[in-house]
Amino acid sequence: SQQGEEDPQALSIQEGENATMNCSYKTSINNLQWYRQNSGRGLVHLILIRSNEREKHSGRLRVTLDTSKKSSSLLITASRAADTASYFCATALADYSGGYNKLIFGAGTRLAVHP
Amino acid sequence: ETGVTQSPTHLIKTRGQQVTLRCSSQSGHNTVSWYQQALGQGPQFIFQYYREEENGRGNFPPRFSGLQFPNYSSELNVNALELDDSALYLCASSSTGLAGSHYEQYFGPGTRLTVT
Repeated sequence: SQQGEEDPQALSIQEGENATMNCSYKTSINNLQWYRQNSGRGLVHLILIRSNEREKHSGRLRVTLDTSKKSSSLLITASRAADTASYFCATALADYSGGYNKLIFGAGTRLAVHP
Repeated sequence: ETGVTQSPTHLIKTRGQQVTLRCSSQSGHNTVSWYQQALGQGPQFIFQYYREEENGRGNFPPRFSGLQFPNYSSELNVNALELDDSALYLCASSSTGLAGSHYEQYFGPGTRLTVT
């Protein structure tokens, strides 16, 4: 089963527009991470936000985390055609038994940015 | 580029056969995790290796096994292949601290396995 669920499943926008993707999860987390995947290849780590953080920025990316609602959002500003990819949120559970770091992924949002 | 490499890139096997996939972790990382990604789905955690021992396992049967070597590289072995094992297999390297801190995971490009 997958803890994270992204919304929407697919998003189609024009270059220059902003893209917002949302992620909901079910259990307490240590941190939440966002990844990008191009054409079924490896995942690229975008940003990590810890459970005690509320907002984080990296270039054109802005991530928010609301632990009371168990949700996160990823905003890509001024989108480009090169941003076309699948975006996944992944939660690292607050599980220190054995100290292992398991990421639980959602099914992803497929973003298409048209020139 | 993450510095995590996987081999082979593509593989076609027949049902019932065995397969070994390989992963070299990023320099400085001591932990390797393996994920299975079916078409159109998010990756699912198979297991993690730390200090050459399995350190956490997802909901996968025992025919999925692995190894981690002293240089932190890793292998994923799958016995008695089934059609549903067709997927992209991703390895990810990370650094686990003394407190079991949870760090970013850096993924390799994946191995696409097709079982016919």
